[in-house]
Formats: sequence, C-alpha cells, structure tokens
Amino acid sequence: GAVVSQHPSWVICKSGTSVKIECRSLDFQATTMFWYRQFPKQSLMLMATSNEGSKATYEQGVEKDKFLINHASLTLSTLTVTSAHPEDSSFYICSARDGSTQETQYFGPGTRLLVL
Amino acid sequence: QQQVKQSPQSLIVQKGGISIINCAYENTAFDYFPWYQQFPGKGPALLIAIRPDVSEKKEGRFTISFNKSAKQFSLHIMDSQPGDSATYFCAASTYNFNKFYFGSGTKLNVKP
Repeated sequence: GAVVSQHPSWVICKSGTSVKIECRSLDFQATTMFWYRQFPKQSLMLMATSNEGSKATYEQGVEKDKFLINHASLTLSTLTVTSAHPEDSSFYICSARDGSTQETQYFGPGTRLLVL
Repeated sequence: QQQVKQSPQSLIVQKGGISIINCAYENTAFDYFPWYQQFPGKGPALLIAIRPDVSEKKEGRFTISFNKSAKQFSLHIMDSQPGDSATYFCAASTYNFNKFYFGSGTKLNVKP
C-alpha cells in the first residue's frame, strides 16, 4: 500500500523557536497534501490543504503566518511552526492524496510537538 | 457545526463479539464515506470505504452499512479481537475529495 512518512516523529523545542515537519509520499505522487492537528482523545482538525506548486488553503482560524506550508514537489510537503509557544504543542498529522486514486487519503504516522 | 456525528464515544466489546459504530451526516453532497483506524501515537489508517450507490460493503471482518435515505452509515466489526482495540473515525467527503470531515472518534476496547 501507499506509504506516507513524517519526520521527525517527535520534537521538543523551546518557546520562540521554529520547527519544521516534513511529510513525504514514498511510492506515489501526491497532488494534494493535508495537514491536521489532533489534540489528545480528540478528532483530527484540518489545518490546511496544499497542492503542489501553489499556495496552501488554510482553514478558518488557522494562522497562515504561524503555520507555514510548502508543497514544493509531488512527494514533499513541509509544515513550519514559527515562533512556537506551549499552546502549539500537539500531534500533527499529514495525509497525501494519490493523484491516480483521487478519493484515498494516506496518513503519515504523525509528529508529536512539545514546546517548553 | 459538526458535519459528521459519530457514536458512541467509547465501546467495550468481548472478544468474538460484534462492534458497531454509527455515524450520521447532513450534507447530501457527500458521496464518499471512509472509516479510519488509529492506534495510540500513530496516524490513522484507511480501513474500508463506501460510496452511496451501494448499501453495504464487506472486507474481511469489517462491514460498512449505508442508509442513504437516513443519511447514516455504520461500521460493523465481526468476531472482534483484542488487536482491534483502537480509535475509529468515520469521515465524509464530497465528489472532489478536497476536504474530509471527520467524526469525533470511537475508542474501542475489546476484552479478551
């Protein structure tokens, strides 16, 4: 099956620093990638949708200057949490949509961010 | 407003029993309904999905039942096993699959 990787799997950083999370589709071309945030014992909250080569579309309430998304190639999207604060601590999950089978989203394993 | 409502929030089932999780939606434009399984600390994995042109889809021990008129769909796990213990999310999407709406999740615990 299709595989999506995320790196790092977990990260601890100091308040005020920026953190970059990578999402890669390993064996397929992802025309669209999604970034989600998940709080403990809660559902996935869509943050933004990114299409290769174009600007990301952010959901209402998500600060685009805070969460920078780049989708430079068909296999890589990055999420940068800028000037991270403790309230940004969360589980960030990306998913990628296979361009050949439009309906299927494949999720990455997630990145746990802890901001001290 | 929550687009997809999921119940129950948690479920305890004995090994070998049937686990049933229900979801309901309002938007009649939805036409793709996947179920995802998530283990602690991991990303969700696609379990099974259905389109509204069929009323049931079965894959192994997992079955989706779909009621278009009632705008409801459910996941049935037959012969539930302790390894099925996880959180299950239903979701819905429109034809262009540009956005998926997730249910609130059901934590399933299958007791040996």
